Amino acid sequence: QSALTQPRSVSGSPGQSVTISCTGTSSDVGGYNYVSWYQQHPGKAPKLIIYDVGSRPSGVPDRFSGSKSGNSASLMISGLQAEDEADYYCCSDAGGSTVVFGGGTKLTVL
Amino acid sequence: QVQLVQSGSELKKPGASVKVSCRASGYTFTGHVMNWVRQAPGQGPEYMGWINTNAGNPTYAQAFTGRFVFSLDTSVSTAYLQISSLKAEDTAVYYCARGGWSGGFSSWFDSWGQGTLVTVSS
Repeated sequence: QSALTQPRSVSGSPGQSVTISCTGTSSDVGGYNYVSWYQQHPGKAPKLIIYDVGSRPSGVPDRFSGSKSGNSASLMISGLQAEDEADYYCCSDAGGSTVVFGGGTKLTVL
Repeated sequence: QVQLVQSGSELKKPGASVKVSCRASGYTFTGHVMNWVRQAPGQGPEYMGWINTNAGNPTYAQAFTGRFVFSLDTSVSTAYLQISSLKAEDTAVYYCARGGWSGGFSSWFDSWGQGTLVTVSS
């Protein structure tokens, strides 16, 4: 499978909202409601922030939300905070008991 | 709380083998599958596959057949990743990650190990 397509970088000021897109195909994002998102700070392991398109694990602030339309998914972060500066990766079920990750988006909080 | 603790960094020569361990605690080990994810320097994560912690049968992603082996020791709640015939391009951080759903395969991973850096260099 090819990696899902994400913008290489996005930025926003504290308090603003940003959206990160994730584009796949009908064989992954478009075919399943199983998109997840991970936040990764430098030198740390990825952390799950969204699963099943729009569900949040306990402890993840409701400033993080996810959605999907067709072959694309989106992560929105509202009320940006300095600690949100990190790399973000989308991930989708790709059938056959496998998943595919996106290439990652670096979020800069200005 | 759920914890996955991985073994330490490894420096290996091309052609050698390495075995990475992932010890789980804070939950019933056989209740969730264990996944393995590779992240090369400066790159995004790459899914390697998963192992059924009940039956012990592994499933490998297409790019990870042949030199990669997933195994378990359920008596110590530990999963293993063994890589043989190491190449320079295997240099990466390897993560174990728990399947989020307490059933079979799960497409999301709710707990991750801290990662093990494997460096392959002559």
